[in-house]
Amino acid sequence: EVQLVESGGGLVQPGGSLRLSCAASGFTFSSYSMNWVRQAPGKGLEWVSYISSSGRSIYYADSVKGRFTISRDQAKNALYLQMNSLRAEDTAEYYCARDRSGSYYAKKAFDIWGRGTMVTVSS
Amino acid sequence: DIQMTQSPSSLSASVGDRVTITCQASQDINDNLNWYQQKPGKAPNLLIYDASNLETGVPSRFSGSRSGTDFTFTISSLQPEDIATYYCQQYENLFTFGPGTKVDVK
Repeated sequence: EVQLVESGGGLVQPGGSLRLSCAASGFTFSSYSMNWVRQAPGKGLEWVSYISSSGRSIYYADSVKGRFTISRDQAKNALYLQMNSLRAEDTAEYYCARDRSGSYYAKKAFDIWGRGTMVTVSS
Repeated sequence: DIQMTQSPSSLSASVGDRVTITCQASQDINDNLNWYQQKPGKAPNLLIYDASNLETGVPSRFSGSRSGTDFTFTISSLQPEDIATYYCQQYENLFTFGPGTKVDVK
């Protein structure tokens, strides 16, 4: 079964750090680009970050640029999001999502999503 | 940055009704637009890709079309299980989701 499972969420103080993980299974992880998408409580979807299948192309939303780092470990079939200098406005459910293509320059669609992991930034 | 607007923000319709949601891009995005359904407490689910292509396994009552920078998502006959929020997403330049349309059944 094709599956993505996020972990690593929790309660963190403003200015703190957290590392999210996404475990992929049931497909050839190294062939697909991956994304992080978040959703603040009661709000809409916000794309956070993208990494191509090779890891060579990486993009961030302006709201997290310079604070968040996306990475992947092909051997472990895992996607990560290192979040530093966290702010209250980063409070959200964080989803990892597979892009059906492997390249930023191809047609794209987020065809597989995990269930999400909740990050709460509060003192 | 490409901005996406969606209308209406919410709607209520009867079972069997035809439901239409529109999404407008702030600039030309070609057909680089997808539609997602998100049911309460669940992750989003891809319904339509590249403006008008139905994702495998998605019921044929869902459809999408494009006219210039205006995109339309249609449910031809609303079913109770279609209660959800629907989002458009552009990927012409990075990714932007529309603000969503909440659909419920009268």
